[in-house]
Amino acid sequence: EVQLVQSEAEVKKPGESLKIFCKTSGYTFSTHWIGWVRQMPGQGLEWMGIIYPADSETRYSPSFQGQVTISADESNTTAYLHWSSLKASDTAMYYCARLLVGEDDYWGQGTLVTVSS
Amino acid sequence: DIQMTQAPSSLSASVGGRVTITCRASQSISGYLNWYQQKPGKAPKLLIFTTSNLHSGVPSRFSGRGSGTDFTLTISSLQPEDFATYYCQQSYSMPPSFGQGTKLEIK
Repeated sequence: EVQLVQSEAEVKKPGESLKIFCKTSGYTFSTHWIGWVRQMPGQGLEWMGIIYPADSETRYSPSFQGQVTISADESNTTAYLHWSSLKASDTAMYYCARLLVGEDDYWGQGTLVTVSS
Repeated sequence: DIQMTQAPSSLSASVGGRVTITCRASQSISGYLNWYQQKPGKAPKLLIFTTSNLHSGVPSRFSGRGSGTDFTLTISSLQPEDFATYYCQQSYSMPPSFGQGTKLEIK
C-alpha cells in the first residue's frame, strides 16, 4: 500500500527556518516525481515544485523559485520542503503529492504551518 | 508555465440538478487535464484523469470532456456529497498547475 505521511503541524516565528517532511512507503521512491502543494487559508491549491529523487532534478513554479527548497533522501524515501527564513505569508497547509501517473494519485495528509510573531 | 483558468469561481445548484465547470489552459495540454474534488480540511481527491477517464470508485454522474485548451467537468444528478470545491489541473508540463477552483454550494 502506498503511503505518504507528513510531519506534524508547526508554529514558528517570522525569520525562523523550517524543514517539513513527507515519508513515503509502498512504492519505488527513486523513480517517481514527488512534490509540494500549498493551500493558504481559504484559498486554492498551488503546486510549489517537484523533484525526481533518482537524480534530484527539481522544477519550481515561478512563484516559489528562490523562496523554498525541495529535496529528497532516497535512503529514507522521504521528501522535504525547507524555508530558510519564514514569513507570515507562508502560513498555509502544505501537502506532499506524488505526481499523477495514469490514475495512480497519492497525497499526504497535510502539514499546517503557522508563522506568527 | 501553463496558466489554468476555471469558471465559474462559485455556483449554487440543487440536489438532483446538473452543473458544468469549465477550465481553459493558456496553451494546448494534449488532453493532460485532471479534475479534483476537495472538501474542507481534506486533501484533494482525483475524480477524472486525462480529460475523461473516471478514477476508480468515482460515480458515473461525473464526466469530463475537452481537447486542446478547453475542458469541462459535468456533474449530473447532484448528490449531497458532491457539494465541495473542484479544481482542474494540467499535468502536461512540470510542475503541474491548478485552476483557481470552483466552489459548488447547495441552493
